[in-house]
Amino acid sequence: DTAVSQTPKYLVTQMGNDKSIKCEQNLGHDTMYWYKQDSKKFLKIMFSYNNKELIINETVPNRFSPKSPDKAHLNLHINSLELGDSAVYFCASSQNRDTYEQYFGPGTRLTVT
Amino acid sequence: KQEVTQIPAALSVPEGENLVLNCSFTDSAIYNLQWFRQDPGKGLTSLLLIQSSQREQTSGRLNASLDKSSGRSTLYIAASQPGDSATYLCAPVRGGYQKVTFGIGTKLQVIP
Repeated sequence: DTAVSQTPKYLVTQMGNDKSIKCEQNLGHDTMYWYKQDSKKFLKIMFSYNNKELIINETVPNRFSPKSPDKAHLNLHINSLELGDSAVYFCASSQNRDTYEQYFGPGTRLTVT
Repeated sequence: KQEVTQIPAALSVPEGENLVLNCSFTDSAIYNLQWFRQDPGKGLTSLLLIQSSQREQTSGRLNASLDKSSGRSTLYIAASQPGDSATYLCAPVRGGYQKVTFGIGTKLQVIP
């Protein structure tokens, strides 16, 4: 059984488009995260939600908007895509915000042309 | 701002060798520290989690140590195998909001 799943696995799109990446976890965790791994392999946190409430919002352009319909899902919507948005986006979850161990999804490779 | 450095950036060893991967971080006020491995094109797999009150954790051939006061952690891999080839990432965590900072990783290649 997949613990943290993401769709799609690959996403190729043109500049200016709007796209969404979906994440679901079946671990019963309260806290979910979005990370971005750029071409230099730096992995940086973007957002964190705890029980559908935003708790971490790093310096991310307003074009990125996370949405958590319930605590098992955290989707990432990106408006007006730019070339610099090309990266691998990882979703993760943890039991709660005080219990650290994080479980990662397989990643979504976004390519903006 | 937390900065994480991992040394070496890349390492190539023959199968069977014992090896040590190093991680240093600038802000010692961490909650805990986690070591991950990342296989090419894949997500991150958690290896070991060390709480700030602990000095080490062991899992199979892996042993991770933590010296919070000096801002250092090491990952020791015993009797390395080709299947250990991956990038190893160190991730200290600050505070109850689990703000994680990742190092760039050490890319390990174990040669059969």
